[in-house]
Amino acid sequence: DSGVTQTPKHLITATGQRVTLRCSPRSGDLSVYWYQQSLDQGLQFLIQYYNGEERAKGNILERFSAQQFPDLHSELNLSSLELGDSALYFCASSSMPGASDSPLHFGNGTRLTVT
Amino acid sequence: AQSVTQLDSQVPVFEEAPVELRCNYSSSVSVYLFWYVQYPNQGLQLLLKYLSGSTLVKGINGFEAEFNKSQTSFHLRKPSVHISDTAEYFCAVSDTGGFKTIFGAGTRLFVKA
Repeated sequence: DSGVTQTPKHLITATGQRVTLRCSPRSGDLSVYWYQQSLDQGLQFLIQYYNGEERAKGNILERFSAQQFPDLHSELNLSSLELGDSALYFCASSSMPGASDSPLHFGNGTRLTVT
Repeated sequence: AQSVTQLDSQVPVFEEAPVELRCNYSSSVSVYLFWYVQYPNQGLQLLLKYLSGSTLVKGINGFEAEFNKSQTSFHLRKPSVHISDTAEYFCAVSDTGGFKTIFGAGTRLFVKA
């Protein structure tokens, strides 16, 4: 058990809808990372927060947004969903403000299916 | 910008045989290198990491990797695999002082009896 909790585990929704994915980092970790894993694109970095502030942005679409709250949990909001957004979304946490030498601790992911 | 290339998308191997999963990276700055493993329906777990020092790094479950700076490679090896090693393996790189960890596309290791 990595200590990172993601909810829900599965989500099925229709095109055009909006969903929110939630992540609670490992106790003591201040950094939260979001990744998207799909069959054709592999594991893509979306965005990172440290102690409530956005630190790095990757291949995140404008339809997607995220935030990290004072209690350090994070939410990833996906709107105007398209079929191509179907993927496994992972949250990871670490103790450091940046990638550095600190390994990432991953949750078990949220599988999003857009129909 | 950094990039990671895992040269094999799938590696089938018989139980108790040795295996090598290949990883090459490119970066204009010093990097830290990682191997992660993903078992079915689970998140990624750290297998081993190279930060500095000895180029041969030992990880969990009998895996080891060798950092080769001149060839910009970080190949993962195990002398004798088990059925339970069947999983997807990801090579990853982060630049020292950066904020992103970049992952390769993954190599699916399939161990056959």
